Amino acid sequence: DAKTTQPPSMDCAEGRAANLPCNHSTISGNEYVYWYRQIHSQGPQYIIHGLKNNETNEMASLIITEDRKSSTLILPHATLRDTAVYYCIVLLTGGGNKLTFGTGTQLKVEL
Amino acid sequence: GAVVSQHPSWVICKSGTSVKIECRSLDFQATTMFWYRQFPKQSLMLMATSNEGSKATYEQGVEKDKFLINHASLTLSTLTVTSAHPEDSSFYICSARDLAGVSNEQFFGPGTRLTVL
Repeated sequence: DAKTTQPPSMDCAEGRAANLPCNHSTISGNEYVYWYRQIHSQGPQYIIHGLKNNETNEMASLIITEDRKSSTLILPHATLRDTAVYYCIVLLTGGGNKLTFGTGTQLKVEL
Repeated sequence: GAVVSQHPSWVICKSGTSVKIECRSLDFQATTMFWYRQFPKQSLMLMATSNEGSKATYEQGVEKDKFLINHASLTLSTLTVTSAHPEDSSFYICSARDLAGVSNEQFFGPGTRLTVL
C-alpha cells in the first residue's frame, strides 16, 4: 500500500472550514484514499473514501487532485467535537486488505 | 450504522495473569476482524487479523502464543493476553469488516484499556 504524508498538527477556529491535506505521491491506479479520525481514548471512526472523483457525505468532503498524488479532507464547519487525530490511508479494496495507520494530523478546534 | 462493541472497556490485572477481551459486531456479520494496539501518544499498530473458522494471521513481531485470538463465530472475536506484564499495558482496539459490505470500510470498537500492575 502507498505511504501517506500528513502535517503533524493543525488548528482551526470553530465554525470555520478545516482543510486537512494528505500527500500520497506513490498511489497506484486501483488504490483508494480513506480518511478516519480518532477522538481521544476512542476507537477510530470512518469519515469518507474515494478513488478519483471528489466525494461528499454528511461528515465531510474529499477533494482528490487530478493526478491523485494528494487529497484534502474538508470539514465545512468545524466544531469543538471535531478535535481529533485524522488519518489518511490509501489501500486496495477487497477482502483481506489491512488498514495501516500513520501518525495522522492532530486537529485542534478552538473557540 | 454498523456497531462494534468491546468488553470490557477497561481492566486492571496483576502481572502474570491472563486477560480476555471480546469484540462483537452487533448488527452485521464479519468474517474478518482486526486487533490493534495503541500506546500513549502513538498511532494504532495492527497486531493480527482474525478470520472466522481459521487461525489468525499475526503481524511481524507479535507473539501468537502470548496474544491468543479466537474467532468462533461471525460476530465474535476474542483476544487473550496471556501472562500479562506491565509492558502489555495499552489500549486494545478491534475492528470488523461487514461481510455484506461492498467497500473496505472497517468499523471500530471503542477500545479496551488494559493496565497490568
